Amino acid sequence: LAKTTQPISMDSYEGQEVNITCSHNNIATNDYITWYQQFPSQGPRFIIQGYKTKVTNEVASLFIPADRKSSTLSLPRVSLSDTAVYYCLVGDGNNAGNMLTFGGGTRLMVKP
Amino acid sequence: DVKVTQSSRYLVKRTGEKVFLECVQDMDHENMFWYRQDPGLGLRLIYFSYDVKMKEKGDIPEGYSVSREKKERFSLILESASTNQTSMYLCASSGADRANEKLFFGSGTQLSVL
Repeated sequence: LAKTTQPISMDSYEGQEVNITCSHNNIATNDYITWYQQFPSQGPRFIIQGYKTKVTNEVASLFIPADRKSSTLSLPRVSLSDTAVYYCLVGDGNNAGNMLTFGGGTRLMVKP
Repeated sequence: DVKVTQSSRYLVKRTGEKVFLECVQDMDHENMFWYRQDPGLGLRLIYFSYDVKMKEKGDIPEGYSVSREKKERFSLILESASTNQTSMYLCASSGADRANEKLFFGSGTQLSVL
């Protein structure tokens, strides 16, 4: 199972861009990289997923370098409501169990 | 949208009791999972199931068992609850075993074992 390492916490201010980096040195060829967001007292919610290069959706962008040993979640112009814990997952969904090892997550605090 | 429903939001049980946590999903998903979440430890996988009557151990299966008799329902069983099983329990589901499937989570069950 690929293990991920993320910063424990980050602080930001409203309107800033936030980049959260996840290290996954043992990523395997078939592994995808998935990010989830979790608010207090709720289950995690899917944000974005990618395999290589860059992926963008209405919520975030995901940057993956060529060696795929890390990935960066980018949140443009954060607001107070983006305060949450962000998890990076790495795994191969073709083997259901491999997809599902969560790291400790990054607690993002957005300040006014 | 996919809905994953956990039967209880809060549950208080006594040491030694048998506890059932129920989870139902409405999107005909093949895969279902049980996690527990504790402060400072993130989410840890207890068990998962990729088909009816099939189950696989996750990272921390000790003290737990599961049941999947129907595709939409996945139950987590604490045979004899202990205080160290006080935790938030999260159920999730995902579709067919393709690399790009994503997890859908329920709102969680906060279990307190006294």
